[in-house]
Amino acid sequence: EPEVTQTPSHQVTQMGQEVILRCVPISNHLYFYWYRQILGQKVEFLVSFYNNEISEKSEIFDDQFSVERPDGSNFTLKIRSTKLEDSAMYFCASSEGLAGVGDTQYFGPGTRLTVL
Amino acid sequence: KNEVEQSPQNLTAQEGEFITINCSYSVGISALHWLQQHPGGGIVSLFMLSSGKKKHGRLIATINIQEKHSSLHITASHPRDSAVYICAVPGSWGKLQFGAGTQVVVTP
Repeated sequence: EPEVTQTPSHQVTQMGQEVILRCVPISNHLYFYWYRQILGQKVEFLVSFYNNEISEKSEIFDDQFSVERPDGSNFTLKIRSTKLEDSAMYFCASSEGLAGVGDTQYFGPGTRLTVL
Repeated sequence: KNEVEQSPQNLTAQEGEFITINCSYSVGISALHWLQQHPGGGIVSLFMLSSGKKKHGRLIATINIQEKHSSLHITASHPRDSAVYICAVPGSWGKLQFGAGTQVVVTP
């Protein structure tokens, strides 16, 4: 069964460093998402991506964050200058259609980001 | 913004017991998602439903769109059902807005 993959599974970085989290969505999917979950809190939406551009972003997704789909298969989340509060589990998800009209979102296993 | 509330926050059951988790939301939607988060953190979609009831194995999900309420039931619970169960509602561009989750522990 096709699945969403994410690398690395765990990333440790120093505050102020740039990190890139990578995702490979399911190949025929058109909608892509990044979510994050701070330890002990609920999952929060960061950004949605469709047709090679951001379709929506949350208040969390400030100028320190960027996403791109450089080669038609990978989907990356970059944090330019990490802060302690960026420590969280980051999930990539993809869907063939929109979740609101009947499509399931498939989640990757997550990348645990630890900022020291 | 849709407010998604789940109850209970935590639940402990003995193996074989019937479990119910509730979810309510504030803004009308066309579909609601139930997901399971494993102890390792991974998230798996269990159900997407827009009306009535869906059943998958020992899991049953129901939704009342008019009352903005959904329930997830686990029949004949088993220790392997121990996980966090999350309801989520879709918003613009399909983004999911998650409830806080219900931590379920099933003891042998």
